[in-house]
Amino acid sequence: DTAVSQTPKYLVTQMGNDKSIKCEQNLGHDTMYWYKQDSKKFLKIMFSYNNKELIINETVPNRFSPKSPDKAHLNLHINSLELGDSAVYFCASSHEGPIYNEQFFGPGTRLTVL
Amino acid sequence: RKEVEQDPGPFNVPEGATVAFNCTYSNSASQSFFWYRQDCRKEPKLLMSVYSSGNEDGRFTAQLNRASQYISLLIRDSKLSDSATYLCVVQMNYGGSQGNLIFGKGTKLSVKP
Repeated sequence: DTAVSQTPKYLVTQMGNDKSIKCEQNLGHDTMYWYKQDSKKFLKIMFSYNNKELIINETVPNRFSPKSPDKAHLNLHINSLELGDSAVYFCASSHEGPIYNEQFFGPGTRLTVL
Repeated sequence: RKEVEQDPGPFNVPEGATVAFNCTYSNSASQSFFWYRQDCRKEPKLLMSVYSSGNEDGRFTAQLNRASQYISLLIRDSKLSDSATYLCVVQMNYGGSQGNLIFGKGTKLSVKP
């Protein structure tokens, strides 16, 4: 069984469009994350979210918004797509807690904006 | 200065070689340290945590030097399957809550037959 799954795996779209990427985890985790890995392979946190708090990386444009219908899902909505949004987007999840709990990553969604 | 810096490589080594990766971090408040592995076009996966006393997991040994803000990973007896990008990761913990993971750009390892 896939622990953290994302759809779609590939997404090709035009500038200016609005798109969503879905993420689901079946690990019973209470915290989920979105990361962006750009063409230089730099992996950066965009959002972390649990039942209590959404933490937004201040460098993320407000065109990006996470939506969590329930604990097992954290979807990423992107409005008015730009060329610079092309990247691989990874969802991840972990347990919440004062010490480190391993983050499990989804397989990634490769977004190409034309 | 980047928060987490690594030599990007690539490191091209023959099977059976010993290879070492280094990493430095800029924030002295960082409290947790890890090595992740990322295969080509795949997601990152935790390889091992790094403890102050140093720790070993089979052929892999991780070291931490807090005074120098330096982390290392040693791989002994390299296998073809070790070919991947190795990501150095640090985390700060805030008042009982986990901080975000800060990833280095990764060091690419290619093990040749």
